[in-house]
Amino acid sequence: EDKVVQSPLSLVVHEGDTVTLNCSYEVTNFRSLLWYKQEKKAPTFLFMLTSSGIEKKSGRLSSILDKKELFSILNITATQTGDSAVYLCAVDLSGTYKYIFGTGTRLKVLA
Amino acid sequence: DSGVTQTPKHLITATGQRVTLRCSPRSGDLSVYWYQQSLDQGLQFLIQYYNGEERAKGNILERFSAQQFPDLHSELNLSSLELGDSALYFCASSVDPGGPHEQFFGPGTRLTVL
Repeated sequence: EDKVVQSPLSLVVHEGDTVTLNCSYEVTNFRSLLWYKQEKKAPTFLFMLTSSGIEKKSGRLSSILDKKELFSILNITATQTGDSAVYLCAVDLSGTYKYIFGTGTRLKVLA
Repeated sequence: DSGVTQTPKHLITATGQRVTLRCSPRSGDLSVYWYQQSLDQGLQFLIQYYNGEERAKGNILERFSAQQFPDLHSELNLSSLELGDSALYFCASSVDPGGPHEQFFGPGTRLTVL
């Protein structure tokens, strides 16, 4: 059965800290891995990763994929209270038109 | 604003009833996905349509059905509602499933079944 597992389930940090969120997957026909940020509304797209070892970066957020070890990490440096959200990881399965989502990591950043 | 619209925003109904949720994809997107998000679960994929045709089914109950119309909007029909159907229902769209492409999510419909 295809599955996506995120860790930790939740995390509480202080402003300025750096956090690393993990996403591991066991799927058939991997095509891409996506990260989303979900506040009290719809998930918003952060990154899409298709190749191993190539870091995607946007401001204080960055992400990388390891297709050999079947995982991805999302790093957030110099965290701010506005980073508080649930971060979702999803894997896009080639040929099935399906996206499998993990249950998310709930991040709370304290002022 | 992702460009995906969903109506209604909130829906409160009783067990045994039937409801219809509506989604309009982003302009130019041909693919529509429906997801259910409960408090204790992540996003559960329900069903996907591409240009009017059903392309993939996930854990969608037989009481649920969907369709995509020629103008590309989609409707999710939920019938014989049970308390456990209370959840956030999201619609997402992408250019096409031939991807890889990111999905853009609508604001969701919060369904409460009493």
